[in-house]
Formats: sequence, C-alpha cells, structure tokens
Amino acid sequence: EAGVAQSPRYKIIEKRQSVAFWCNPISGHATLYWYQQILGQGPKLLIQFQNNGVVDDSQLPKDRFSAERLKGVDSTLKIQPAKLEDSAVYLCASSSLSSYNSPLHFGNGTRLTVT
Amino acid sequence: DQQVKQNSPSLSVQEGRISILNCDYTNSMFDYFLWYKKYPAEGPTFLISISSIKDKNEDGRFTVFLNKSAKHLSLHIVPSQPGDSAVYFCAASAQSGNTGKLIFGQGTTLQVKP
Repeated sequence: EAGVAQSPRYKIIEKRQSVAFWCNPISGHATLYWYQQILGQGPKLLIQFQNNGVVDDSQLPKDRFSAERLKGVDSTLKIQPAKLEDSAVYLCASSSLSSYNSPLHFGNGTRLTVT
Repeated sequence: DQQVKQNSPSLSVQEGRISILNCDYTNSMFDYFLWYKKYPAEGPTFLISISSIKDKNEDGRFTVFLNKSAKHLSLHIVPSQPGDSAVYFCAASAQSGNTGKLIFGQGTTLQVKP
C-alpha cells in the first residue's frame, strides 16, 4: 500500500510570512494527525481528525495555526504568521481506527526553517 | 510537563551485542506503549508495542519489557545490527478518551558499530 504522502519536503520562509503543508493519508484511513517535531524533541500532537471532524486540537496554537481536512481525505496545515520557534519538522500520520492501540503510519515530514 | 522521558540521548553498541533503550513515564493512566524507529529524513515507523496487561512482548530480535510499578519500559535488541542505527522513540497512550493520541519521549539515538 502507498504510504502517507506529504509535500513539500523542505520549506524556508522569513518570520511573519505564511506557509502551508499538505498531507494525503493512506487510503481508507479515517484518522489523521499532524505532529510537530522540534530538533532534539519527540513529536508533539498538534491536531487530530476523525474523518473531517476535529477530535483533539488542544495543543494547536490557534492564533497562528489552522488545519482542515475537507472531504475526510487529504489535509492542509497552515501557519500565518510564522515565528522563529515554528522551525521544526511537521509530520502527518494516519491510522485506520481511532483507537488507542492502532499504530500510526507517518509520512516523511516537511522540514520548515523560519529565518 | 514531560510525561514520557527517555533520559539517554544516545547509545553506542557493538554489532552482535545487546542494545537496551530505556523509557520512563509519569502518567499512571497510560496503558499502551509503543516504540518507533526513525531514520534521517524519514518519518517514524512503528516497531513494537505492549499493553499494560502484559510485562513482555517479543517480536524477532526486539523485546519490550514493561514494569508498571516503576513506570518504566525498555526495548531490547538482540543481536544488534548496523541497520538498527536510528533514533528510537518511546510513546504512550491512554484508553481513556480513546483517541489514539500518542505522547512521545525525546528519543534515543542508537549507533551500532560494525
């Protein structure tokens, strides 16, 4: 099966600019996650979708970050305006079930550098 | 508040020997634990998991041990191979809420020397 697809792989922007990331999950996976991984840290959940509804966005900085999953398939994550501390790898993951013991399948991530 | 901690940033072992990666957690509600492996420029890939009703789970060269009273788990790799060189993340989740949300540790970089 095809894996989780993410684009772009790399992005460099200046602070206060905006940026968007795209994710296409594994076909048939109802649950989609966006994680932020800052260098030297583990991935941190930003937002979780079940189909096209938000399940958990408690750690999403809503003043600058937004995400949507139209039609319950692919998803976009946007940052506007970006700050230096947003420099990180943004990982998209999907799973077939929204249960606590379903392994997540991750994409290769988008590395964002904010200068 | 770091609920899942991997206190060793790096580990170096000789090929053929045992690698032991450790993980501690603080939230007693966690009842499912996973290990992920990550190569450079790739996303994490699922390696092995264990439910809190067990104290050991084995899959080939990989074994995860869980000590609930100590809130500690470890991943054993025997024998270690150069291809095992990667960053290993411990992750935990809780059935309560049932969302599949994972809390990750900071990761341990394993280097297996030929």
